[in-house]
Amino acid sequence: DIVMTQSPDSLAVSLGERATINCKSSQSVLYSSNNNNYLAWYQQKPGQSPKLLIYWASSRGSGVPDRFSGSGSGTDFTLTISSLQAEDVAVYYCQQYYTTPFTFGPGTKVDIK
Amino acid sequence: EVQLVESGGGLVKPGGSVRLSCAASGFTFSNAWMSWARQAPGKGLEWVGRIKSKTDGGTTDYGAAAKGRFTISRDDSKNTLYLQMNSLKTDDTAVYYCTTPGGTWGPGTLVTVSS
Repeated sequence: DIVMTQSPDSLAVSLGERATINCKSSQSVLYSSNNNNYLAWYQQKPGQSPKLLIYWASSRGSGVPDRFSGSGSGTDFTLTISSLQAEDVAVYYCQQYYTTPFTFGPGTKVDIK
Repeated sequence: EVQLVESGGGLVKPGGSVRLSCAASGFTFSNAWMSWARQAPGKGLEWVGRIKSKTDGGTTDYGAAAKGRFTISRDDSKNTLYLQMNSLKTDDTAVYYCTTPGGTWGPGTLVTVSS
């Protein structure tokens, strides 16, 4: 199974500042035949279901604000919130969908400093 | 609008069984490869398993926790996904979500395994 790790476990960022979350997979999730990274990012606010933010490592989901961006390839990925808003307080998860089981990272909790 | 609504959760005794349902709408369910995921109280997300569309073989894949005990099925005539869970353990206590390939999740249904 592909093991997903995330860092940091949690972070606190001032409003309007940048938040950066890292995700690493134990093997590459880049499919060479189509050059797509099978990596998604989800946001989960307290008491809510997860919401898709990013797919194919860098494509924003429907209605996702452009302050959220994803980058990376192969085994190393980053989710960046360019200017943290109060409504961004949540736990963020990466997930690989390259091969089953589609494993999740352990999550990163983002709070306001 | 894509919508998923899970049902069937509740209190189950260890060793017992339960079948969860997920009613889907707003997309062509029969073409979708559907998944189940779960989240234990206060914990992270865990992928449970997936079923392909019938046109793609209708086969299933499972995570380690589900193999041999859980079965995913679908009824395309009812736009409904199922998760049959047998030999339940206290560690299976979680909110169970169904999800689409496009990343939509339902609100989830809570299964509590306790004597």
